[in-house]
Amino acid sequence: DGGITQSPKYLFRKEGQNVTLSCEQNLNHDAMYWYRQDPGQGLRLIYYSQIVNDFQKGDIAEGYSVSREKKESFPLTVTSAQKNPTAFYLCASSRELQETQYFGPGTRLLVL
Amino acid sequence: QQPVQSPQAVILREGEDAVINCSSSKALYSVHWYRQKHGEAPVFLMILLKGGEQKGHDKISASFNEKKQQSSLYLTASQLSYSGTYFCGTESAHRDDKIIFGKGTRLHILP
Repeated sequence: DGGITQSPKYLFRKEGQNVTLSCEQNLNHDAMYWYRQDPGQGLRLIYYSQIVNDFQKGDIAEGYSVSREKKESFPLTVTSAQKNPTAFYLCASSRELQETQYFGPGTRLLVL
Repeated sequence: QQPVQSPQAVILREGEDAVINCSSSKALYSVHWYRQKHGEAPVFLMILLKGGEQKGHDKISASFNEKKQQSSLYLTASQLSYSGTYFCGTESAHRDDKIIFGKGTRLHILP
């Protein structure tokens, strides 16, 4: 079954801690994306990657970092510099940058 | 530029119809529609391409007027399962950038 997986479903972060959210796809898509969603709000783009070993900042990249060492994987690290990290994080992928995006199930990050 | 969706929210009774609009200030190649249920990921509904097409999917259909740079999503005889937030995503006519999503329209269907 082709799809996008995100883990974990829920993640707890302590103050001053970095945490990494996993995103894996087996759709053979070139482009991958990370979005942040706050309650009742829309999708805000954090980072995106058009191809392996390349990624671009989105609208709210501060306090986040990513890597794209493999086509299938696009992990997101929420650093301690992100002062308000509590949100629902969604990963998506598309065949190419302009094409339809397909979303993973999301990770809900909570700060302790 | 982010497309503008209207209305921001709508409450209907089961069986009523709804229209959700998506407008862009830029020329578009395509419009993508998604629905997101509470606590879940957005699910792709349909794509409309330049050419002024209209698409249907059970009782959910959409139109795309490229001259007006806008798309509308039509929900006919709404069912409880239609509740959620609907997002449009627009692709520039230059086809040189990622899809940009609107802020969403929250739809709540009452029994």
